[in-house]
Amino acid sequence: AQKITQTQPGMFVQEKEAVTLDCTYDTSDPSYGLFWYKQPSSGEMIFLIYQGSYDQQNATEGRYSLNFQKARKSANLVISASQLGDSAMYFCAMRVLSDYGGATNKLIFGTGTLLAVQP
Amino acid sequence: DAEITQSPRHKITETGRQVTLACHQTWNHNNMFWYRQDLGHGLRLIHYSYGVQDTNKGEVSDGYSVSRSNTEDLPLTLESAASSQTSVYFCASSYSRADTQYFGPGTRLTVL
Repeated sequence: AQKITQTQPGMFVQEKEAVTLDCTYDTSDPSYGLFWYKQPSSGEMIFLIYQGSYDQQNATEGRYSLNFQKARKSANLVISASQLGDSAMYFCAMRVLSDYGGATNKLIFGTGTLLAVQP
Repeated sequence: DAEITQSPRHKITETGRQVTLACHQTWNHNNMFWYRQDLGHGLRLIHYSYGVQDTNKGEVSDGYSVSRSNTEDLPLTLESAASSQTSVYFCASSYSRADTQYFGPGTRLTVL
């Protein structure tokens, strides 16, 4: 079964330090996409970063990078130089194919990691 | 600016009532999605649409329906609201099946 697992319910990090949020996934599809979204206390879902299963390089977007280890089926989010505004819930998600192998853009989400950045 | 909006942002209703949550996007996206967010479950897909007149069931579709009569709107209807449907509901859209989904601000629904 396709599944996303985020094993860290909550984490603390000191301001200006780097932090890694873990995400492992389970799929037998040859093609898939992995996403990270941020949900601050205000509630909106903000797209952060995307990694395709065939991408050769790890994705980066500013202070966010995705540590993609295909053999381990992990897609950890790394936030460098944490800021107070990074305090939020972070969700890992995977785009799955249809039963017939076609593109669907259906996302399955992990349960999230609550990150608290301390001054 | 193009955007995706949801209304109402907060709704309290009674068990058994019909409720419709609105989702409107001005990006001209073909794909639209409804999710619910509950503690311990992350977000789960309720229904989705790839275009006008197209609707599909997601993981947790029982008790919900959608219709797509134009590109901009995908209303979500709870036919007979139940307390188990108390949740935060998010609408999302994407241009194609290969594109990133962008989310609306969410609707907090309470069923008493």
